[in-house]
Amino acid sequence: NAGVTQTPKFQVLKTGQSMTLQCAQDMNHNSMYWYRQDPGMGLRLIYYSASEGTTDKGEVPNGYNVSRLNKREFSLRLESAAPSQTSVYFCASSDTTHTEAFFGQGTRLTVV
Amino acid sequence: LAKTTQPISMDSYEGQEVNITCSHNNIATNDYITWYQQFPSQGPRFIIQGYKTKVTNEVASLFIPADRKSSTLSLPRVSLSDTAVYYCLVGSTGGSYIPTFGRGTSLIVHP
Repeated sequence: NAGVTQTPKFQVLKTGQSMTLQCAQDMNHNSMYWYRQDPGMGLRLIYYSASEGTTDKGEVPNGYNVSRLNKREFSLRLESAAPSQTSVYFCASSDTTHTEAFFGQGTRLTVV
Repeated sequence: LAKTTQPISMDSYEGQEVNITCSHNNIATNDYITWYQQFPSQGPRFIIQGYKTKVTNEVASLFIPADRKSSTLSLPRVSLSDTAVYYCLVGSTGGSYIPTFGRGTSLIVHP
């Protein structure tokens, strides 16, 4: 049982480049989330999707876009990367009947 | 969403019991209290969840007083591998639930 899978695990981008972080879950969860975590900080919500076909902004959405491709997959796109987006990105999913969320292993992104 | 407050850091020694308290004065009637553990370079992992009184599993115990304005995560006989950040969250089930994390409590277990 893979749970939540994120790709890639590591990425280095130059300022202005674009990229998409992929996330997939195999638990048939309705809700999916993207967070970023900076050193010494908690997780901050970027975007979330309460169900297939819907997405909503979280606390720090600027500079990001998301796509809920289907129930399994939720991708995060950086159109023009900036050094301030250097962070560790976590994807998570949860079922609407429980408050337990399952997290991926994270993507460590560095923008130079 | 109910806001939570917990200590920034704690220190302990191997074999001791550790209690981490979380305040959530504005907890709503339908809210559950959920604790997560995060090791360096890993995503958070669910530890335990409760609504009232006491909940125990193989990892920890969660104590919730009658007024539910606080909760205490208890880790019995900690080891070095319990060094991690612990997060307290409150929220209710349903389509509007969004796990919201504060800075958590950084627990360091010393030999």
